[in-house]
Amino acid sequence: DAGVIQSPRHEVTEMGQEVTLRCKPISGHDYLFWYRQTMMRGLELLIYFNNNVPIDDSGMPEDRFSAKMPNASFSTLKIQPSEPRDSAVYFCASSLVWGQPQHFGDGTRLSIL
Amino acid sequence: GIQVEQSPPDLILQEGANSTLRCNFSDSVNNLQWFHQNPWGQLINLFYIPSGTKQNGRLSATTVATERYSLLYISSSQTTDSGVYFCAVERMRGSTLGRLYFGRGTQLTVWP
Repeated sequence: DAGVIQSPRHEVTEMGQEVTLRCKPISGHDYLFWYRQTMMRGLELLIYFNNNVPIDDSGMPEDRFSAKMPNASFSTLKIQPSEPRDSAVYFCASSLVWGQPQHFGDGTRLSIL
Repeated sequence: GIQVEQSPPDLILQEGANSTLRCNFSDSVNNLQWFHQNPWGQLINLFYIPSGTKQNGRLSATTVATERYSLLYISSSQTTDSGVYFCAVERMRGSTLGRLYFGRGTQLTVWP
């Protein structure tokens, strides 16, 4: 079975540009999570969806961040405009049902210059 | 939120040695997971263990929910065990249901 698929693997862009990160969860998983990992703050949850509906977005740092899940097999995390402090590794994860093991994608390493 | 503390922060072992990693948490939980982040950055789910004991090969985990801690045991360590081990928990109550809180991890280095 294919795992969680994220793209791109690496993204380098200039400050002020729009960045779009993509995620395909494991087929049949009802929950999708977006995380950010930095040295300073560790791993932190940004937002999660249940059956394509955003449930908890309290971790989204500010209005520059937005996430969508138009269907069960695709989600995006968008940053507009991007800033150097957004540089981090962004992970997407999915789980079959609430409270069950979360399976992570390989992450997107984002660098904002 | 909930506080998740992992110890030790760093651990260096010779291949073949055994080790125990600890995770303490500050509130009742209904979900606890252990992850391994390998040197390439990939996060692998090792155990889903809100209570009790589980084993998977050389790895085993025990969670004592009433005392708010979990232990991850690695036996006969191998160089491929190197990486960061994270514990993550979900609070049993409150407005943060569904949200996993991660500890800062234990950095394990296994030398040949």
